[in-house]
Amino acid sequence: DVVLTQTPPTLSATIGQSVSISCRSSQSLLDSDGDTYLNWLLQRPGQSPQLLIYSVSNLESGVPNRFSGSGSETDFTLKISGVEAEDLGVYYCMQATHAPLTFGSGTKLEIK
Amino acid sequence: EVQLVESGGGLVQPGASLKLSCVASGFTFSDYWMSWVRQTPGKTMEWIGDIKYDGSYTNYAPSLKNRFTISRDNAKSTLYLQMSNVRSEDTATYYCTSDYFDYWGQGVMVTVSS
Repeated sequence: DVVLTQTPPTLSATIGQSVSISCRSSQSLLDSDGDTYLNWLLQRPGQSPQLLIYSVSNLESGVPNRFSGSGSETDFTLKISGVEAEDLGVYYCMQATHAPLTFGSGTKLEIK
Repeated sequence: EVQLVESGGGLVQPGASLKLSCVASGFTFSDYWMSWVRQTPGKTMEWIGDIKYDGSYTNYAPSLKNRFTISRDNAKSTLYLQMSNVRSEDTATYYCTSDYFDYWGQGVMVTVSS
């Protein structure tokens, strides 16, 4: 199975600060169809996960553009440009290139 | 408004069977592949498997393939997860989700304990 390693496990930020979360894959996530199926999800406290970014860098409808994704092959990054209070929660990367689909262990974002 | 509503969870004994349901509304259910994902009490996320839009094909996580079965009834806009011979490690919150992971249910808790 593909292992996704997220760092850091926890992140503490002030409002307005920019932060980044890393997701490294044990194998390339470039699919034979040319797409890279690496998504980012946010799970706010007490809520279900929600999709933020799909296929590395595509912003899901309704997601603020302070969220951005980048990367390729095995190294990926989620950036929040100007953290807001509503951004607190746990961020997960997940891959859908290789079966079985797998998730990172999560990064908890706390607001100082 | 898109809604996915899971049900059927609860406290079950080891070795028992349980069937979870997920009723969809607000989108054309029969057009979507659907997945089940679970989250352990320690917050680890695990993909269980998915099913093609017409129910003709399923994929499973190898570790769960022999005990879990995914099915659907498009006439009822309902997704199912049949769990058999459950173990303590199956204790988790179970989510149904679209295969693009853009729609998620609220989750249903399953606790396996004697």
